[in-house]
Amino acid sequence: QVQLVQSGAEVKKPGASVKVSCKASGYTFTNYGITWVRQAPGQGLEWMGWINTYSDDTNYAQHLQDRVIMTTDTSTNTAYMELTSLKSDDTAVYYCAREVDSWGQGTLVTVSS
Amino acid sequence: EVVMTQSPLSLPVTLGQPASISCRSSQSLLHSDGNTYLNWFQQRPGQSPRRLIYNFSNRDSGVPDRFSGSGSGTDFTLKISRVEAEDVAVYYCMQGTQWPYTFGQGTKLEI
Repeated sequence: QVQLVQSGAEVKKPGASVKVSCKASGYTFTNYGITWVRQAPGQGLEWMGWINTYSDDTNYAQHLQDRVIMTTDTSTNTAYMELTSLKSDDTAVYYCAREVDSWGQGTLVTVSS
Repeated sequence: EVVMTQSPLSLPVTLGQPASISCRSSQSLLHSDGNTYLNWFQQRPGQSPRRLIYNFSNRDSGVPDRFSGSGSGTDFTLKISRVEAEDVAVYYCMQGTQWPYTFGQGTKLEI
């Protein structure tokens, strides 16, 4: 069965960076892209971007493209999302998904001084 | 970018009765490949989102047949034929036709 397991919760200071991992299993990793979505507390879903796991081509949300980096490691079937220059309003649960059909459990990132 | 607008944002329902959520896009979601990439998601409290419908009308595996999707172009609807208690959730539409992909604001279904 398809499974996406994300890394654990993080607490970061403003200006720092965070890197969230997403380990996939149960399917051929390079046959599907990975989507990243975040959800601020009590808010809706925000599409952050997508990475082609075969070619490493990316598409990012325009307002994040200067601060987000999506990568993959096909040797371990793991996708990564790094967000730099963190601000308090980056506090959210970050989700990875296989395209958008199977989702990870979410990773809470808290940005606080 | 394509703006997705859902209505209503809050939907009080009665168990056993039907419910309907509207999703409108600022541009047609008909892709040049002939597909319409409109997805519907359910997010129960404390859970990750779960896709219910893809390509505006196709139910995902395991999704009860009381859920159905319809529409075309810029106007789409998610219908629940008879609401059950387990359907309490927030429902989101999302377009996957044009980069960047975008979500609607969400509709909270309340019993």
